[in-house]
Amino acid sequence: SQQGEEDPQALSIQEGENATMNCSYKTSINNLQWYRQNSGRGLVHLILIRSNEREKHSGRLRVTLDTSKKSSSLLITASRAADTASYFCATDANAGGTSYGKLTFGQGTILTVHP
Amino acid sequence: GAGVSQTPSNKVTEKGKYVELRCDPISGHTALYWYRQSLGQGPEFLIYFQGTGAADDSGLPNDRFFAVRPEGSVSTLKIQRTERGDSAVYLCASSLGPQAYEQYFGPGTRLTVT
Repeated sequence: SQQGEEDPQALSIQEGENATMNCSYKTSINNLQWYRQNSGRGLVHLILIRSNEREKHSGRLRVTLDTSKKSSSLLITASRAADTASYFCATDANAGGTSYGKLTFGQGTILTVHP
Repeated sequence: GAGVSQTPSNKVTEKGKYVELRCDPISGHTALYWYRQSLGQGPEFLIYFQGTGAADDSGLPNDRFFAVRPEGSVSTLKIQRTERGDSAVYLCASSLGPQAYEQYFGPGTRLTVT
């Protein structure tokens, strides 16, 4: 079963614009991760945020986490055509304080960046 | 260095047949995961290995699915009596260890059951 709900399901923007994707989840987590997938294959890890963190940056990526609302957002600034892909959030549930990487993915947001 | 590899990249089989899907993780990665991804959905967890043992197989849909990792490296996902509903992309991922968090995914095997 899918824990995460992502919105929007699809996002279409012009190069140079910012893209924001949101993810909500249901259970307590150890960490939340964002992955990118091109052409239905090969997920690539983008960024991880731990449950005790509120914001994290990596290059043009900014992730926020609100554990009280069980939600996260991914912001891609100054988007490029090469950013066109599906983006997934994945939660690593907190099973009695232990995490072993069993990820539960959302349904994803399809981002299209037009040149 | 070499990433996670999966073979075959595509597999077409008839309903009722047996299939094996192979995963070669990154050398030195002790944790290995199998996921299944249906069209338009995110990946769903199937099974997790730490070393040679299946530490969590709670995601396997039924007893037609089985996976092994006999030497703690290569893993094989086995599906008996395939059904059309098994059609999906099967993804393998590995990480340095269960606490390493970042998982490296292979390109997947697209299984089509006709």
